[in-house]
Order: sequence, then structure tokens, then C-alpha cells
Amino acid sequence: DAGVTQSPTHLIKTRGQQVTLRCSPKSGHDTVSWYQQALGQGPQFIFQYYEEEERQRGNFPDRFSGHQFPNYSSELNVNALLLGDSALYLCASSFLAEFQETQYFGPGTRLLVL
Amino acid sequence: RKEVEQDPGPFNVPEGATVAFNCTYSNSASQSFFWYRQDCRKEPKLLMSVYSSGNEDGRFTAQLNRASQYISLLIRDSKLSDSATYLCVVNKEAQGGKLIFGQGTELSVKP
Repeated sequence: DAGVTQSPTHLIKTRGQQVTLRCSPKSGHDTVSWYQQALGQGPQFIFQYYEEEERQRGNFPDRFSGHQFPNYSSELNVNALLLGDSALYLCASSFLAEFQETQYFGPGTRLLVL
Repeated sequence: RKEVEQDPGPFNVPEGATVAFNCTYSNSASQSFFWYRQDCRKEPKLLMSVYSSGNEDGRFTAQLNRASQYISLLIRDSKLSDSATYLCVVNKEAQGGKLIFGQGTELSVKP
């Protein structure tokens, strides 16, 4: 049973560019959440997708947008990159109806903005 | 005030030691609670969910005190392989919802 997968593993961009990160959830999961983890900090919630809709959003600007596809996979897009966007971007999948739903994380995409 | 606060680290302990991590959360409406473990440059992995009655998994014991909004994790007989960052995590919802992470506490177990 494949776990959560993310691509690419590493990415280097320059300020002002745009980036797209991808996530495939664990088999049987229908919900995808995205988190940003800066060095030395805990992950911060960006947004969550369920049934192809954004279900919740954290305190991130509109430069951060996402999408969920019918097969439950998801993309995170970041426009107009800033140096401060350099971080580990984590995707987590879950099954929404599960009692005390548990989120399982992918290996992350490490983004460096120069 | 941060929504989830953890003991500052790092904790440096010898093999075989017992170590305790503490965590407090600010939102009394929080519904679900977890400890995740994160190895260096890796993703967080669920260590255990935390229930009101307390729960144990081998050498690991987690406790929740809703009245004090306090969560703890006890590791007995520490192993070198326990070296990692331990993240206290809270969710305001039992289903769905965002995970709110503490900053994490680094544990280093020495021979």
C-alpha cells in the first residue's frame, strides 16, 4: 500500500517565479491538507481540500492556491515567490469520515527561493 | 500566545533514561490530540493519538488533561533510535480540520 507521495523532492526558484507542487494521497484517503514548515518550526497549515473544494484555509496570502483532482490528488501553487517562501512543503492525506481522523504526511518538497 | 506550546529543547539523555515532554494548548474546544515524531529532514510521522483516559504503546505513554489543557508524552528506557524531534499536535475538530503543531522538542539519546 503506497503512502503519500509528493513531487518534486527538491526545487530551486528565484524571486517572482511561480511553482507547482504535487501530492498523491494514501490509498483510500479523500482529503488532502498542505503545510509549510520553516526551519526550526512546526508545520503551519496552508489549506485543506475535500471533494475538489477548499474546505479550510490558514493564514496564507492569496499567492498560495491549490486544487484537488477527481482522483483525490492535489496541487499547491505559489505565485510571485518571496525569499520567505523557502521551506519544506508537506502534504498530508486522511479519510475525512474517520473518527479522530489521522493525517499521514508525505516526504515533502524542499523549496529554496533565491 | 502560541496555540500549542512545548517544552524548549534540546533534551540530551543517556540510553535507558526516562524522559517526559509537556505541551499546553490554548483552545479549550480542541477535539483531538496527537504526538508526531520527526526525524531530521524527514516528514512528521504519527507516534500516537492521545485520549482522555491516557494511552500506552510499548515504552511510550501519552496523557491528556482537558481541564488544564495539558498533554504529556513519557518515553521509558530510551533508545538511540528515539533521537528525533517530538511534535505536539492539536485539532479543533474530531474529523477534518487543520492540525496545529507545537514548535517541537528535540531529543538526543546518547550511548
